[in-house]
Amino acid sequence: SQQGEEDPQALSIQEGENATMNCSYKTSINNLQWYRQNSGRGLVHLILIRSNEREKHSGRLRVTLDTSKKSSSLLITASRAADTASYFCATDYGNNRLAFGKGNQVVVIP
Amino acid sequence: NAGVTQTPKFQVLKTGQSMTLQCAQDMNHEYMSWYRQDPGMGLRLIHYSVGAGITDQGEVPNGYNVSRSTTEDFPLRLLSAAPSQTSVYFCASSYSKGGGSPLHFGNGTRLTVT
Repeated sequence: SQQGEEDPQALSIQEGENATMNCSYKTSINNLQWYRQNSGRGLVHLILIRSNEREKHSGRLRVTLDTSKKSSSLLITASRAADTASYFCATDYGNNRLAFGKGNQVVVIP
Repeated sequence: NAGVTQTPKFQVLKTGQSMTLQCAQDMNHEYMSWYRQDPGMGLRLIHYSVGAGITDQGEVPNGYNVSRSTTEDFPLRLLSAAPSQTSVYFCASSYSKGGGSPLHFGNGTRLTVT
């Protein structure tokens, strides 16, 4: 299996600022997904980008995918205190089997 | 819809005990899976199922059994608990068994093995 790896591991920003996280992976993928996890809860799906897509938007989220560099980025614009969470990238290596990165802790300071 | 429901929320076991973690979904999803989440290691796939009667191993299947007799339920059995199985366990489901669809997660079961 392959593991996504997020960078940076922890991020602390002021409310209203943008937050950017990067994810790298090792082998070819079908798609790449980003999830959010609030403390003590399950993961919530944010966005899925397929291997033939380069950019995708959903509300304040923007995801890019560069398959030549095997990397993806997640941008959260105009952050809010409610965005405080851990963010995970996950690569689909077939049949919905996801390989997750170690996660990115984001703290948004009001 | 309740989504994915996991029980219990917390469990403490002694080494060698067995137990079953329950998972049920009411979305008629074909695909279900179990992950464990350990500090600093992200989530790792234990077992998955693409439909009733069909199961397969994930990345870390040793020490765990699964079965899928109905579309709705996908229990995870620990045969003889070990301290290394102390973790948070998440069940997830998806409408597509072929991939390319998001996973819906339960809220997890926090298991401690002493």
